[in-house]
Amino acid sequence: EVQLVESGGGLVQPGGSLRLSCAVSGFTFSNYWMSWVRQTPGKGLEWVANIRKDGSERSYVDSVKGRFTISRDNAENSLYLLMNSLRAEDTAVYFCAKQMVGSSTTFDYWGQGALVTVSS
Amino acid sequence: DIQMTQSPSSLSASVGDRVTITCRASQSISSCLNWYQQKPGKAPKLLIYATSILQSGVPSRFSGSGSGTDFTLTISSLRPEDFATYYCQQSCSAPTFGQGTKLEIK
Repeated sequence: EVQLVESGGGLVQPGGSLRLSCAVSGFTFSNYWMSWVRQTPGKGLEWVANIRKDGSERSYVDSVKGRFTISRDNAENSLYLLMNSLRAEDTAVYFCAKQMVGSSTTFDYWGQGALVTVSS
Repeated sequence: DIQMTQSPSSLSASVGDRVTITCRASQSISSCLNWYQQKPGKAPKLLIYATSILQSGVPSRFSGSGSGTDFTLTISSLRPEDFATYYCQQSCSAPTFGQGTKLEIK
């Protein structure tokens, strides 16, 4: 059974940092691109970043470039999102998501989500 | 960025009804269109990818069609478990989602 479990969410002050983790099981992690997608009541679903199978290629939505870093550890079957210089508008539920085979940005499995609240 | 616009934003229907949700892209996306279902407090679930291919385990009452800029999701006969929010998403470039269509019980 495919499972993705996020952790590391919480309350952080504006300008602060937070690191999200996503532990995966049930599939060969190193064979798939992975993404982070966030959801807010106001903006809906927004793709945040993705990373190639071997970590050699990463992409970001413009609003987080230079502040967020996606990474992975294939030996630990884990995906990460380091979020720096957090802003109120980064408040959201963050999902890790597995991409379908190849580099297609189609998300066939999702975690349950981690809530990140940026507030003073 | 490619903008995705869904209509309607909300829809009331009854069990057994046939419903159609529309998604329009701001530019042509060929067949790079996916549909997701989300229930409150849960993650989105992939229903249909590449416009019309049913994800494994998804009931055949769900279907998708379209090409270019205009796409539809159809549920042929609504069941109680289908009341949820539906999102389209393009996968041709940096992925973007529609704003969602909330399907409610009439």
